[in-house]
Amino acid sequence: AQKVTQAQTEISVVEKEDVTLDCVYETRDTTYYLFWYKQPPSGELVFLIRRNSFDEQNEISGRYSWNFQKSTSSFNFTITASQVVDSAVYFCALSGNYGQNFVFGPGTRLSVLP
Amino acid sequence: DSGVTQTPKHLITATGQRVTLRCSPRSGDLSVYWYQQSLDQGLQFLIQYYNGEERAKGNILERFSAQQFPDLHSELNLSSLELGDSALYFCASSVEPLAGTTDTQYFGPGTRLTVL
Repeated sequence: AQKVTQAQTEISVVEKEDVTLDCVYETRDTTYYLFWYKQPPSGELVFLIRRNSFDEQNEISGRYSWNFQKSTSSFNFTITASQVVDSAVYFCALSGNYGQNFVFGPGTRLSVLP
Repeated sequence: DSGVTQTPKHLITATGQRVTLRCSPRSGDLSVYWYQQSLDQGLQFLIQYYNGEERAKGNILERFSAQQFPDLHSELNLSSLELGDSALYFCASSVEPLAGTTDTQYFGPGTRLTVL
């Protein structure tokens, strides 16, 4: 069965610090997809990124970057120079090749203090 | 505003009842996804449709059903409601079926269901 672990339940940082959110996954599929989502205090869900299992290139989008390492089954998310607006719950997720067996991790609550 | 609309925003009903949640995807989006978020179960994927056809199924109970209509809007029907069905139900849409493309997924604001 597919599983996503986000061992950090809550993280607090001070503004401008860098922070890394960990995501470890388990799957027997050779083709799969990994996702990150953000849920700010207002409650809406925001899609951040999708990465397929054949693309281990790191991705950078502004202050956000993602490190995918198949060798350690991890897909970690780093926010550089964090801002108060980054405060949210962040979910990592995993799906099979056609969207099947889609599972979310339990989420990491990030608080960025001014 | 993501362009995905969900109605109603809030719904309060009693155990044993049946409700219908509605989702209108962004204009041009062919894929619709349903998710449930509860305190007990966290975030769960329920079901995905693409252009009217079911594409992927998650932890959707037999008491729940969904469909995507020719105009691409989708409805999630929840029947024989139980207290544990109280949750926030999100709908999302994308142009393509997400897995396998570089598409982006957009979420609606959610429907908060309270079962008393």
